[in-house]
Amino acid sequence: EIVLTQSPGTLSLSPGERATLSCRASQSVSSSYLAWYQQKPGQAPRLLIYGASSRATGIPDRFSGSGSGTDFTLIISRLEPEDFAVYYCHQYSPPWTFGQGTKVEIK
Amino acid sequence: EVQLLESGGGLVQPGGSLRLSCAASGFTFSSYAMSWVRQAPGKGLEWVSGISANGASTYYADSVKGRFTISRDNSRNTLYMQMNSLTAGDTAVYYCAKNVYDYVWGSYLVSWGQGTLATVSS
Repeated sequence: EIVLTQSPGTLSLSPGERATLSCRASQSVSSSYLAWYQQKPGQAPRLLIYGASSRATGIPDRFSGSGSGTDFTLIISRLEPEDFAVYYCHQYSPPWTFGQGTKVEIK
Repeated sequence: EVQLLESGGGLVQPGGSLRLSCAASGFTFSSYAMSWVRQAPGKGLEWVSGISANGASTYYADSVKGRFTISRDNSRNTLYMQMNSLTAGDTAVYYCAKNVYDYVWGSYLVSWGQGTLATVSS
């Protein structure tokens, strides 16, 4: 099973700042089968990025994903108030696993 | 618009059973694989199970294998999860989610329901 480790656990930033979230896999992720989800309190997760770098439908271009192999990054170029949430990485080759999440909070 | 509406959660004693349902609308249900993902209170996401579009292939996390059974009724546009021999560790919000393709592996989750809470406690 591939273990995904996200860092940092919490990111304290102000609106307008750039957020850089990391997701490291314990072994190489096949075919960049890596997605990112956003979850706000009391809500279901929402798909942001799939295939490591492709934005899902309707996702603003301030969200970008990159990486391959074992190291992946989600960047939010300029934080909007609605971006403060928890972000999870997810690898979808068998068996599926999720990272433990990074909370982006208002500083 | 894709809609996924889970139901069937509730309070059950350890060793008991629950059957979760997920009513789907807004897309051709029989063309997509479906999955269950759970989230324990205050914790992260954990994949539970997945099923192919035609129901022929099913997959389970080791933590639930032999206790949970995923199924679907394409005529009713409904996904199910039969959960037996429940323990406190199964307490979580259970989300139903739509895969992007008709198969599970390599098929990320494009839409999620709002979840249903299953609480296992005496």
